[in-house]
Amino acid sequence: DQQVKQNSPSLSVQEGRISILNCDYTNSMFDYFLWYKKYPAEGPTFLISISSIKDKNEDGRFTVFLNKSAKHLSLHIVPSQPGDSAVYFCAAKRGYNAGNMLTFGGGTRLMVKP
Amino acid sequence: DSGVTQTPKHLITATGQRVTLRCSPRSGDLSVYWYQQSLDQGLQFLIQYYNGEERAKGNILERFSAQQFPDLHSELNLSSLELGDSALYFCASSVDPVYNEQFFGPGTRLTVL
Repeated sequence: DQQVKQNSPSLSVQEGRISILNCDYTNSMFDYFLWYKKYPAEGPTFLISISSIKDKNEDGRFTVFLNKSAKHLSLHIVPSQPGDSAVYFCAAKRGYNAGNMLTFGGGTRLMVKP
Repeated sequence: DSGVTQTPKHLITATGQRVTLRCSPRSGDLSVYWYQQSLDQGLQFLIQYYNGEERAKGNILERFSAQQFPDLHSELNLSSLELGDSALYFCASSVDPVYNEQFFGPGTRLTVL
């Protein structure tokens, strides 16, 4: 049972345009969401996060939107740069007592073309 | 560089064997996590330790075990290896057991032949 899903395995955008990566979740107990970026032969790198009490969080070119009623989050990258080409994972965690374990989506490979 | 180190980088072994993967967390981080990334299962949480104690357990097989030592490094032991255990194994660390940002190491690629 996949509790966090990224339905698009890949996405290709032109440099300078917006990249929108989507993520859906099923577990209503999730209360914190994160995006990680992964280059080949490296571990995932934390990008940005959002608490369930917010619906938007921005950090430079990266913005994460959360729609709790739809159990959907998205990562916007504006403007996209070739260096953004990587696999992006969304992750979720639930509650203090559940520890800090992250449940990951399957990833979306983003290709930004010059 | 996240500051999390993992050794070895690559490991090739045969079915039925036992291996040990090692992780050193970032300086100051007390919590260590192990994740498995396989082709068909994605990134899956295995187990978490905090200051030497097991904190949370995920989908970790009984053939797998882990521990965190007094110097805070951690080892993941995989025994009676099967072909399906071939995967990337990541270690991550964080400051405390509930701090949300986890820093990942570069991973150990295990190939079971």
